[in-house]
Amino acid sequence: RKEVEQDPGPFNVPEGATVAFNCTYSNSASQSFFWYRQDCRKEPKLLMSVYSSGNEDGRFTAQLNRASQYISLLIRDSKLSDSATYLCVVRGSGGGFKTIFGAGTRLFVKA
Amino acid sequence: DVKVTQSSRYLVKRTGEKVFLECVQDMDHENMFWYRQDPGLGLRLIYFSYDVKMKEKGDIPEGYSVSREKKERFSLILESASTNQTSMYLCASSTGVMNSPLHFGNGTRLTVT
Repeated sequence: RKEVEQDPGPFNVPEGATVAFNCTYSNSASQSFFWYRQDCRKEPKLLMSVYSSGNEDGRFTAQLNRASQYISLLIRDSKLSDSATYLCVVRGSGGGFKTIFGAGTRLFVKA
Repeated sequence: DVKVTQSSRYLVKRTGEKVFLECVQDMDHENMFWYRQDPGLGLRLIYFSYDVKMKEKGDIPEGYSVSREKKERFSLILESASTNQTSMYLCASSTGVMNSPLHFGNGTRLTVT
């Protein structure tokens, strides 16, 4: 089993749609969680950190369920510019904070 | 803004060559990471370092080594390049705080012929 698993998609949605991505992780000792966005041929960039109580940043909402070892990202009112690959990231404990990426979920937002 | 700089954007090497990929960060970050990214496989961790001269194996260390002689610089070494090491290599850094995110360089596209 992979340490971090995501639905690869692709998700094809119209502008204005709401879309949700899910991610599961296998290491119950994981400490920190993030969502990154990666555009084609570019490096990943931080979208948002994920906190235990859930957090929101504009149209983006992230949730963490430690009991189920599950992270989610909700995008409301999708824009064409949201088209990208979304990466779930899990960081463990111990020296150096080993950081594992999911394989990513591809999103296409169409006019 | 954090700046992570990778020495080359594109690199072409021959099978059997020793290859050095260099990464420098300017934010005094404790942690540095090397990943490779391949279609369908996502980012896979090769090595990481949490202090000068300290290193830990990631998930795919075979065929690679690393060096961190100074805090700002983390080098990835392919001892004898092979065609299956053709990939995009991404360097990242973060502070020593658990919930600090990774900041990436813009990658090195390595082709081994």
